[in-house]
Amino acid sequence: NAGVTQTPKFQVLKTGQSMTLQCAQDMNHEYMSWYRQDPGMGLRLIHYSVGAGITDQGEVPNGYNVSRSTTEDFPLRLLSAAPSQTSVYFCASSYSSGGGPQHFGDGTRLSIL
Amino acid sequence: DQQVKQNSPSLSVQEGRISILNCDYTNSMFDYFLWYKKYPAEGPTFLISISSIKDKNEDGRFTVFLNKSAKHLSLHIVPSQPGDSAVYFCAASETSGTYKYIFGTGTRLKVLA
Repeated sequence: NAGVTQTPKFQVLKTGQSMTLQCAQDMNHEYMSWYRQDPGMGLRLIHYSVGAGITDQGEVPNGYNVSRSTTEDFPLRLLSAAPSQTSVYFCASSYSSGGGPQHFGDGTRLSIL
Repeated sequence: DQQVKQNSPSLSVQEGRISILNCDYTNSMFDYFLWYKKYPAEGPTFLISISSIKDKNEDGRFTVFLNKSAKHLSLHIVPSQPGDSAVYFCAASETSGTYKYIFGTGTRLKVLA
């Protein structure tokens, strides 16, 4: 029972490079979301999805793109990485958006040089 | 504008005593509240939740209290154990609105043996 799987666990990028952070869940959850965690800032919502084909912006969406073509996968794309995007990224899922707890992956630690 | 606030960055408590972690919110549309616990290098794990139709919810050593008029919730841990040492995040969501889960900045709890 894998739960929420994030890959990679660590990544170093140069400014301007692009990359995709992968997130997959095997619990048939409708709701998925991406957060970034920075010191003193808590977890800030980047983008979220209430089901396949439906995405919306969170608190800090600039510089990030998402898509949800399947229920299982919710990748996060950085089109042109900036040092300000150095952070730990967490993906989460929940059965529905109607008030259930989210299950989190173990995070991707991303450094932009 | 931070919609969910945890004003105490850290808290130290003796083993066996009560730990009280506080959280304030500003958005009156929030109707579902959660507490998560996070260890280093791991994703947050769900601890306990409460719906706005209740003012208290208990699960073993953990109790969450909700004061809607004050827009305040608290997590009580009794008795505190060294294994409870972690960062605790509160989160809030609108179950019938935007479906966003908004997190506080976290409180680092240290339980002293």
